[in-house]
Amino acid sequence: DAKTTQPNSMESNEEEPVHLPCNHSTISGTDYIHWYRQLPSQGPEYVIHGLTSNVNNRMASLAIAEDRKSSTLILHRATLRDAAVYYCILPITSGTYKYIFGTGTRLKVLA
Amino acid sequence: GAVVSQHPSWVICKSGTSVKIECRSLDFQATTMFWYRQFPKQSLMLMATSNEGSKATYEQGVEKDKFLINHASLTLSTLTVTSAHPEDSSFYICSASRGLLYGYTFGSGTRLTVV
Repeated sequence: DAKTTQPNSMESNEEEPVHLPCNHSTISGTDYIHWYRQLPSQGPEYVIHGLTSNVNNRMASLAIAEDRKSSTLILHRATLRDAAVYYCILPITSGTYKYIFGTGTRLKVLA
Repeated sequence: GAVVSQHPSWVICKSGTSVKIECRSLDFQATTMFWYRQFPKQSLMLMATSNEGSKATYEQGVEKDKFLINHASLTLSTLTVTSAHPEDSSFYICSASRGLLYGYTFGSGTRLTVV
């Protein structure tokens, strides 16, 4: 099963862009890359996912490296409400499709 | 769409008693649901996969007799922590999916405190 590596923590100033990296060097050709975030005392919420091409939605953008061994979640203008733990996940697809969470990146947004 | 409701949001129980946590998919059917546990400052740990109409599949190291899972319908899975002890105090979270293309939706979690 492919694993992900993320920095433990990052800081950003409010209203500035944030780039959250994720390494997944053992990714296979069919592995999707999912990003979730978890606010304090809440369950994780979906942010974005992609396979090969860069993806955009109302919350964020996902930039996927050409070799797919890494990806970057981009928050275009961080707000205080974006302070959370961000998880990069490669779902396990052998047998039941499920998520195994890594340590994630704790994002701190400074006012 | 894709709302997962978890109840209760918090519970305090005495050591030795059992506690049931419910996870419902409100606007979709889920043949598979998942249960996670999260200790303070740690990541989510997958406990088990709940399968509608069949036995749950537990991750290595999770006691199936301690954490009873029932998935009796396509919209409801329950986790019962039996004979709870203070070390079972944790944040329990469930998740469900409408299908591969949609990812998983998580419940808001249940904070269990055993005193």
